[in-house]
Amino acid sequence: GQQVMQIPQYQHVQEGEDFTTYCNSSTTLSNIQWYKQRPGGHPVFLIQLVKSGEVKKQKRLTFQFGEAKKNSSLHITATQTTDVGTYFCAGPRSSGAQKLVFGQGTRLTINP
Amino acid sequence: DAGVTQSPTHLIKTRGQQVTLRCSPKSGHDTVSWYQQALGQGPQFIFQYYEEEERQRGNFPDRFSGHQFPNYSSELNVNALLLGDSALYLCASSLKGLAGVYNEQFFGPGTRLTVL
Repeated sequence: GQQVMQIPQYQHVQEGEDFTTYCNSSTTLSNIQWYKQRPGGHPVFLIQLVKSGEVKKQKRLTFQFGEAKKNSSLHITATQTTDVGTYFCAGPRSSGAQKLVFGQGTRLTINP
Repeated sequence: DAGVTQSPTHLIKTRGQQVTLRCSPKSGHDTVSWYQQALGQGPQFIFQYYEEEERQRGNFPDRFSGHQFPNYSSELNVNALLLGDSALYLCASSLKGLAGVYNEQFFGPGTRLTVL
């Protein structure tokens, strides 16, 4: 079945350093979503990418969708302590399906 | 505008028991999905309800069942609990999209189930 893999599983950085997490799917995705889960919290939607090669920015966060629509990345510039949490990518099980297959997440911790 | 709410927040059961978890979707949403999140893992899709019917299902046994009510709220039932069912159970609501359109999901705070 469809698999969504994320690397790295864990990342520890000094505050102010950059951070990147990568997401790879075993199948082509019609779109990809990114979520953030704070420790003890629940996933919160960040963004959705739909087009091949799409790049979207939200302040210090940059999201990319690969040309082949099988991979994606999230890059955070100059991390802050508020960025702590686990970042998940998720893609629909099949085109038009409303169920998501989540990656295992990248847990980001930050040394202030 | 209330977001997604779930009850209870925590629950402790023993093996073999049955449990019912409840979810109220975000106002205006008509679709409810349930996920199981084990510690340190990503959420795993259980099933989705729309128009009071189960529309999609993940790789979970029949011990997991659900229901959606006319007001769009939903229940997740798990029978014959196993130790491995211990997890955070998340409910997510969304608007049913058109074909090929995928809408963001709003997650509730979850129910932490512990099976002893």
